[in-house]
Amino acid sequence: KAGVTQTPRYLIKTRGQQVTLSCSPISGHRSVSWYQQTPGQGLQFLFEYFSETQRNKGNFPGRFSGRQFSNSRSEMNVSTLELGDSALYLCASSQAGFDYGYTFGSGTRLTVV
Amino acid sequence: DQQVKQNSPSLSVQEGRISILNCDYTNSMFDYFLWYKKYPAEGPTFLISISSIKDKNEDGRFTVFLNKSAKHLSLHIVPSQPGDSAVYFCAASGSNYQLIWGAGTKLIIKP
Repeated sequence: KAGVTQTPRYLIKTRGQQVTLSCSPISGHRSVSWYQQTPGQGLQFLFEYFSETQRNKGNFPGRFSGRQFSNSRSEMNVSTLELGDSALYLCASSQAGFDYGYTFGSGTRLTVV
Repeated sequence: DQQVKQNSPSLSVQEGRISILNCDYTNSMFDYFLWYKKYPAEGPTFLISISSIKDKNEDGRFTVFLNKSAKHLSLHIVPSQPGDSAVYFCAASGSNYQLIWGAGTKLIIKP
């Protein structure tokens, strides 16, 4: 079966711009979580969506937002980009939550210049 | 404040020997712990997990030990193989569906 698909794989944006990242979960998975990974910081939790509802949110500013569609695909949006937003953004899907096992996508590498 | 800490950024081990990766946590409410492995340019993949009602869980060459009183868990890989070279993350969770991740340890297996 197809894995978790994240698009695009790489992205270069300018400070002040906005960006939208996409995540298509494994078929049948209803939970989608987003993470930011920066060197030395591990994975920082952004938010989790389950059945189109945001179920949990990490400690990121309001510039970071997301949504989930009825087919469980999810998008993440970052507005007014800052240099510090440069990171690998990972999406993970599961049937109902982490205790059922997360499957991660390969990530979107965002570079802000 | 880091609730989950992996204090060793990197670890080098001879092929065939035991690799021991450590993880400490501060929140006594955590009741579920996971280890993930990550290769470059790929997302993390699930390796093994343990519930707080257990102190050991084994899966092939991988064993996770949990010491609740010390708030410490460790991942043992025996024997270590070249394909085990990767970054290993530990993660912990309580009841709110949110996983808290460590910063990762880069494991290098030397031939």
